[in-house]
Amino acid sequence: GAGVSQTPSNKVTEKGKYVELRCDPISGHTALYWYRQSLGQGPEFLIYFQGTGAADDSGLPNDRFFAVRPEGSVSTLKIQRTERGDSAVYLCASSLTAGLSYNEQFFGPGTRLTVL
Amino acid sequence: QQQVKQSPQSLIVQKGGISIINCAYENTAFDYFPWYQQFPGKGPALLIAIRPDVSEKKEGRFTISFNKSAKQFSLHIMDSQPGDSATYFCAARAAGNKLTFGGGTRVLVKP
Repeated sequence: GAGVSQTPSNKVTEKGKYVELRCDPISGHTALYWYRQSLGQGPEFLIYFQGTGAADDSGLPNDRFFAVRPEGSVSTLKIQRTERGDSAVYLCASSLTAGLSYNEQFFGPGTRLTVL
Repeated sequence: QQQVKQSPQSLIVQKGGISIINCAYENTAFDYFPWYQQFPGKGPALLIAIRPDVSEKKEGRFTISFNKSAKQFSLHIMDSQPGDSATYFCAARAAGNKLTFGGGTRVLVKP
């Protein structure tokens, strides 16, 4: 009965480094979403998966950002050559599916990324 | 490009009062409008949601009013309680369950 979990909860890195953020969705949820929330703002869509494939990656800001979900469950958001502007809370959400009818998205607590 | 505009950015209300948060959208392809509540250090949690063919939806102390022609919708929190102090986000759903969020409203309920 666990919810969406994200690890680590906090990540501090230096400019130029590579980071990986992990998301464990609710068991049985086929759709998984990544959002980025900057301080004092609403979450911004990055990418979503239906199963193993990225169905929409239109929100990824540039090619430094990449996400995978190889087995259709756990997902990893990867950021290369981090920049100070990447500092934000990265939220993961999952839903039963993604399609014509709305399926509630359940959010994890987020990973707070700080790039020094 | 902000497709969902939310106001006010913050509000203070006395316990028992009414909190009103407004949102406006531009994209007519949006087909579902949820509201999320977020506490510090937590992810957003769904509070209440409405479809555009309905003008009002009420769940307990929370009511959404929806005006399709004006492309506006609002959240009313009746009998506000200190436990309602949180940040509230309106959102709009596009194809594929992708959500576009407003900028958020920080609500403080004073006892």
